[in-house]
Amino acid sequence: AQKITQTQPGMFVQEKEAVTLDCTYDTSDPSYGLFWYKQPSSGEMIFLIYQGSYDQQNATEGRYSLNFQKARKSANLVISASQLGDSAMYFCGGGGSNYKLTFGKGTLLTVNP
Amino acid sequence: ETGVTQTPRHLVMGMTNKKSLKCEQHLGHNAMYWYKQSAKKPLELMFVYSLEERVENNSVPSRFSPECPNSSHLFLHLHTLQPEDSALYLCASSQITGDYEQYFGPGTRLTVT
Repeated sequence: AQKITQTQPGMFVQEKEAVTLDCTYDTSDPSYGLFWYKQPSSGEMIFLIYQGSYDQQNATEGRYSLNFQKARKSANLVISASQLGDSAMYFCGGGGSNYKLTFGKGTLLTVNP
Repeated sequence: ETGVTQTPRHLVMGMTNKKSLKCEQHLGHNAMYWYKQSAKKPLELMFVYSLEERVENNSVPSRFSPECPNSSHLFLHLHTLQPEDSALYLCASSQITGDYEQYFGPGTRLTVT
């Protein structure tokens, strides 16, 4: 079973600055993946980025990068050059060898102009 | 229509009512999912369908009954619900069952009175 912990209920960032959203995980699965989703106020979850446990390099997708530190069991999301449209809930999650994806409680990011 | 659509977007029902939530995916995906999102709780996986066959039932009460008549449509039939079942119900689809990259609909906001 996986456990995902997001310790920041809310975060604020100034427009154009970078922000890091924290995520730690705990799993007994030897092969697993970690990911982040964004949920704007409209409700739909939007897939952002994925990191496999055996990937050597940190995943990057445009302004999103996943800072994967296996020894610390952390998979933090870094958003560079924040935009007003980045204001949303962000969910970290993980999955292993079954069909179940486990999500954290989320972090509400607010980008200030 | 593109992506994943859900109807209705909002639903208020009494504890003795019977209603159904509908989800349709226009992406040609093979797997579909129902999730429950309650306030201040992580997203919870309810059901997984792979090629119209249910492959996961995550200990969901029998008052929730899923149906997948074909690979594009997914229903969640509701009967004799409880107030604690009030939540946002999200449908998702993916190309491969258990894929980390899932495409979500906007959700149905359900209120049980």
